[in-house]
Amino acid sequence: ETGVTQTPRHLVMGMTNKKSLKCEQHLGHNAMYWYKQSAKKPLELMFVYSLEERVENNSVPSRFSPECPNSSHLFLHLHTLQPEDSALYLCASSQDQAVGGLGYTFGSGTRLTVV
Amino acid sequence: TQLLEQSPQFLSIQEGENLTVYCNSSSVFSSLQWYRQEPGEGPVLLVTVVTGGEVKKLKRLTFQFGDARKDSSLHITAAQPGDTGLYLCAGCVNDYKLSFGAGTTVTVRA
Repeated sequence: ETGVTQTPRHLVMGMTNKKSLKCEQHLGHNAMYWYKQSAKKPLELMFVYSLEERVENNSVPSRFSPECPNSSHLFLHLHTLQPEDSALYLCASSQDQAVGGLGYTFGSGTRLTVV
Repeated sequence: TQLLEQSPQFLSIQEGENLTVYCNSSSVFSSLQWYRQEPGEGPVLLVTVVTGGEVKKLKRLTFQFGDARKDSSLHITAAQPGDTGLYLCAGCVNDYKLSFGAGTTVTVRA
């Protein structure tokens, strides 16, 4: 049990589809994050939630819509994506928004392919 | 422009050899973290360094934070196939935001 669980692990979707990625953490952390990882590029921060409030939206296109119904769950709703959105989407959590020395706990990611 | 530059981008060595990975920036960080990511998994935190000049050892891994807190290195002694993975450095820009490097892919051949 890694503490941060992401589902599904793999997702293939057409550009007109609507799908959702799910993240669940069992660590009692107060902050949760969505990151995008593309080949040969640094991890890109997409969204930050602290105590269920969105505190950062890093100029992410509106076709990505996050939802944090409680401190243990985080969703990323996807609609009308583009092929360049294909990537590994990582969820992470931390004790609180002040990362300090404790770092992030990442999930295993969802490998998304847009066709 | 990346805030953190990692080098080399790729590294392939024989089991038993040593290796060093570098993480450089023109910015000062309050702390810096190293993660390892294996294929099909998320990154896993290895260490956090906080004080300029700090050296931390984790078994065969040695981490160093530069005196000016702008750069860091990871040295692996007697590498093993289990050390294979993507090594990521991440600098703490402010209290809550991490900026990641693009990573170094390390392959240790048996």
